[in-house]
Amino acid sequence: AQKITQTQPGMFVQEKEAVTLDCTYDTSDQSYGLFWYKQPSSGEMIFLIYQGSYDEQNATEGRYSLNFQKARKSANLVISASQLGDSAMYFCAMREVQTGANNLFFGTGTRLTVIP
Amino acid sequence: NAGVTQTPKFRILKIGQSMTLQCTQDMNHNYMYWYRQDPGMGLKLIYYSVGAGITDKGEVPNGYNVSRSTTEDFPLRLELAAPSQTSVYFCASSYGDRAYEQYFGPGTRLTVT
Repeated sequence: AQKITQTQPGMFVQEKEAVTLDCTYDTSDQSYGLFWYKQPSSGEMIFLIYQGSYDEQNATEGRYSLNFQKARKSANLVISASQLGDSAMYFCAMREVQTGANNLFFGTGTRLTVIP
Repeated sequence: NAGVTQTPKFRILKIGQSMTLQCTQDMNHNYMYWYRQDPGMGLKLIYYSVGAGITDKGEVPNGYNVSRSTTEDFPLRLELAAPSQTSVYFCASSYGDRAYEQYFGPGTRLTVT
């Protein structure tokens, strides 16, 4: 079974609008972490935001927020006030603490295009 | 601070050839990782290391070997290249409890023909 599922291969958003990128996960661990990374066309991976499974509040980092719904096993990324520079691939990832080793399982990604 | 550097940027190998992908970080991170990214897919962990002299397998280790003799360097060795190893390879590093915040190198694009 896929540990991370991103069902949106591509998304479009108008500049200055907000957009939500979906991510669902599958784990039987009680302790885990969820992350989002951005991969611009240049290829590097950029860490955006982290949510621990025991964190009660949704994580926020500037224009990024993580909508964490534990019962639904979802960890959607919300980008507010989209900018042209937000156009990139976005990957959701999960770390299972019990499997240890800081192993991150990545989804297949969502390509976001911001339209001027 | 150069961060995480990888060499080479691009490489074409013939089937059966060997090569080493180099990775160096100057942030004194204890954790280092190798991932591969196949076209249209997310990253998959090949090997990781939690410190000098300690390495362990990730999700897709077959066909690869690693060593970690220093904190800074974490080379990835391909012994007998196969077309299935055509991919983009990313090295990453992180520090201790902030292992979720991994810093990635620019990647090496490898083609095996």
